[in-house]
Amino acid sequence: DIVMTQSPGSLALSLGERATINCKSSQSVLYSSNSKSFLAWFQHKPGQPPKLLIYWASTRESGVPDRFSGSGSGTDFTLTISSLQPEDVALYYCQQYFSTPYTFGQGTKLEIK
Amino acid sequence: EVQLVESGGGLVQPGGSLRLSCAASGFIFNSYWMHWVRQAPGKGLVWVSRINTDGSSTTYADSVKGRFTISRDNAKNTLYLQMNSLRAEDTAVYYCARAPDLYWYFDLWGRGTLVTVSS
Repeated sequence: DIVMTQSPGSLALSLGERATINCKSSQSVLYSSNSKSFLAWFQHKPGQPPKLLIYWASTRESGVPDRFSGSGSGTDFTLTISSLQPEDVALYYCQQYFSTPYTFGQGTKLEIK
Repeated sequence: EVQLVESGGGLVQPGGSLRLSCAASGFIFNSYWMHWVRQAPGKGLVWVSRINTDGSSTTYADSVKGRFTISRDNAKNTLYLQMNSLRAEDTAVYYCARAPDLYWYFDLWGRGTLVTVSS
């Protein structure tokens, strides 16, 4: 199984600050044939379904604010929120969909300081 | 409205059975692979199972293999998860999610249904 390791486990920042969440996979999730990394980021708020933010490691889902961006390739990935807003308080998960079992990171809890 | 709505959760005794449903609306259900993902209380997301567009191919996590069965009825736009021999560690919120293809991201999730396995 591919193990996804996120850091930090929690993050408390002030409004307007930049948030950076890291995700590392135990093996590469890059498919050489199309040069795509099979990595997604989700935002999860209590009582709501998880929301897709980023797929193919860096493609922003339609309707997601452009303060959210994803980067990385292979085994190391980053979700960046450029300017933290109150509505960004949530849990964030990375997930690999390169091979079954699909696996998620343990989550990063983002709070406002 | 494009949505997935789970139902069928509840309290069940260890060793018991439960069938979850996931009703899809607002999109062409039979064009999507479908998945079940669960989240135990205070824990992270764990993928459970997937099924292809016509129901002919299924895959399971090792933790549920042989106990859970995923299926779909494309005429009813509904996904199912039959859960047998339930254990305390199956206690979780169960989400259904769709993916446009095999080895593709999950682009829509339901709100989940809570399954509690306890005596």
